[in-house]
Amino acid sequence: AQKVTQAQTEISVVEKEDVTLDCVYETRDTTYYLFWYKQPPSGELVFLIRRNSFDEQNEISGRYSWNFQKSTSSFNFTITASQVVDSAVYFCALGRYAGNMLTFGGGTRLMVKP
Amino acid sequence: DTGVSQDPRHKITKRGQNVTFRCDPISEHNRLYWYRQTLGQGPEFLTYFQNEAQLEKSRLLSDRFSAERPKGSFSTLEIQRTEQGDSAMYLCASSLGPTTGANEQFFGPGTRLTVL
Repeated sequence: AQKVTQAQTEISVVEKEDVTLDCVYETRDTTYYLFWYKQPPSGELVFLIRRNSFDEQNEISGRYSWNFQKSTSSFNFTITASQVVDSAVYFCALGRYAGNMLTFGGGTRLMVKP
Repeated sequence: DTGVSQDPRHKITKRGQNVTFRCDPISEHNRLYWYRQTLGQGPEFLTYFQNEAQLEKSRLLSDRFSAERPKGSFSTLEIQRTEQGDSAMYLCASSLGPTTGANEQFFGPGTRLTVL
């Protein structure tokens, strides 16, 4: 069975602070994909990143960075110099290599205060 | 707009009524997915199609739920004899198939169902 745990249900930071959202996953598959999605107050899930299990290189995109550690089954997401517009619920998800269903974590609500 | 679209955006119904939702995927995507999201939770997988074939169904999808994708383009999700527990946001997503080895799914805005 596949499982994704986002232990932080809610995080509150002040603008310009750095913040890390944790994601821990469980799977028996040797090949899989990991994802992060953003769900702003408008409600529509926005795709942020996909990572293959065989590529542990960390990735940076502007103020966003992702740290994938297969040894600890974690795929953490860091926002540098947070902004009010980053306020949203962020979901980590696990997908099988064949590409069908995604298993989502419970989400972390990030509130960035001015 | 070339994203995933869903109709209606909101639906209020009385317990016991039937409801049907529609999803139009991104045009070149051959895979289509349905998820359900309740308040404060992450989306839960319901079912998915590759072209017109329904390839997987979750145990969450009771006999009262049926989904179709008759021509491999748009899809419908029908809930018969709705119950208050069916109140949720129903999300549709689409993606390219396995030939790319990737499955990032692009989501529509959802249909919020309220069963009174």
